[in-house]
Amino acid sequence: DQQVKQNSPSLSVQEGRISILNCDYTNSMFDYFLWYKKYPAEGPTFLISISSIKDKNEDGRFTVFLNKSAKHLSLHIVPSQPGDSAVYFCAATSTGANNLFFGTGTRLTVIP
Amino acid sequence: EAGVAQSPRYKIIEKRQSVAFWCNPISGHATLYWYQQILGQGPKLLIQFQNNGVVDDSQLPKDRFSAERLKGVDSTLKIQPAKLEDSAVYLCASSVGTSNYGYTFGSGTRLTVV
Repeated sequence: DQQVKQNSPSLSVQEGRISILNCDYTNSMFDYFLWYKKYPAEGPTFLISISSIKDKNEDGRFTVFLNKSAKHLSLHIVPSQPGDSAVYFCAATSTGANNLFFGTGTRLTVIP
Repeated sequence: EAGVAQSPRYKIIEKRQSVAFWCNPISGHATLYWYQQILGQGPKLLIQFQNNGVVDDSQLPKDRFSAERLKGVDSTLKIQPAKLEDSAVYLCASSVGTSNYGYTFGSGTRLTVV
């Protein structure tokens, strides 16, 4: 049972434009959400997170939006750069839980 | 700060053989995780240690998988005997406490079972 879903396996955008990566979840107990970035042959690296008490969190070019009623979050990258090309994983957890539940990932390609 | 070290990077074995993976977490990180990432899927937790004790191993296929973290530092994950469906990347991660917030992953071990 996939509790965190990323329905777009891949996304291509032009350099300088906005990249929007989407994530949906089914478990209403999730109250903390994270985005990880993964380059080939490397482990995932933490990118940005958001608590369910917020609906937006911004860090430089990266912004995560959370819509609790829709059980949906998105990661915006503006402006996109070729170095952003990677696989992005959405993850979720709940207070007191032991682990993260990951989506299947979206491969972002930023075209120079 | 040195990252999470894992070895080997790659391993190819035949089904029914045994294999072991090693992980050295970031110094001072009490919590260690092993995740399995099958191609096209997100990482899935296999086992979580807090120091040298097991916190959660509910998703570990205990008939063939075992893990230990002696002295609360390094950890090994073993598969015996391996099946074709065990082909995956095995990721180790560590964190200071039990919080899941942004813990650090190693580069992983890619296992191919043929």
